[in-house]
Amino acid sequence: DAGVIQSPRHEVTEMGQEVTLRCKPISGHDYLFWYRQTMMRGLELLIYFNNNVPIDDSGMPEDRFSAKMPNASFSTLKIQPSEPRDSAVYFCASSLGTYTEAFFGQGTRLTVV
Amino acid sequence: GEDVEQSLFLSVREGDSSVINCTYTDSSSTYLYWYKQEPGAGLQLLTYIFSNMDMKQDQRLTVLLNKKDKHLSLRIADTQTGDSAIYFCAESIRVNTGFQKLVFGTGTRLLVSP
Repeated sequence: DAGVIQSPRHEVTEMGQEVTLRCKPISGHDYLFWYRQTMMRGLELLIYFNNNVPIDDSGMPEDRFSAKMPNASFSTLKIQPSEPRDSAVYFCASSLGTYTEAFFGQGTRLTVV
Repeated sequence: GEDVEQSLFLSVREGDSSVINCTYTDSSSTYLYWYKQEPGAGLQLLTYIFSNMDMKQDQRLTVLLNKKDKHLSLRIADTQTGDSAIYFCAESIRVNTGFQKLVFGTGTRLLVSP
């Protein structure tokens, strides 16, 4: 397996635009996580899914953020409208279970200008 | 609370031992983890320890757990320049839905100089 695949690797967008980040988890993993990493706040869990169902979205900062997992092999994180303070590295991770190793993608570096 | 705290920075010389410390808050955490992040990459699991253990050794890595003080440490013996990275401590905590989630510390940036 190629691991967790995220796209794009880098995204630069203007304030107010919609941004969609994509993730393909490792095949067979039941859990998918979205994290955001910034210098100020470190690594924050935004939302996670089990068997494509959102379990805990308490980390999603605002209604501008939404995440979907239409099937076991694909998830999106959408920000609409984007703001400069959303600039961060967004990681997707997947695991077989919540106690087992979480495998991280390489991240999407988002810059909102 | 869900705070996992770490010192932000550690600098050592090649060949020395490095000790990275972490304090966590949830006494019911079942597993505690150490992840490593190299520049431009995602996090990779280094090692983990089950909450009923005091110590775990894995080659150059030694994890010590003090449950009473909720303190976790990672010791890297014979530190190499390739060990330079950010190290994250993480605890698994139970959420209201009955699932577990990982809460990460702020990360400790380890710099190893030749």
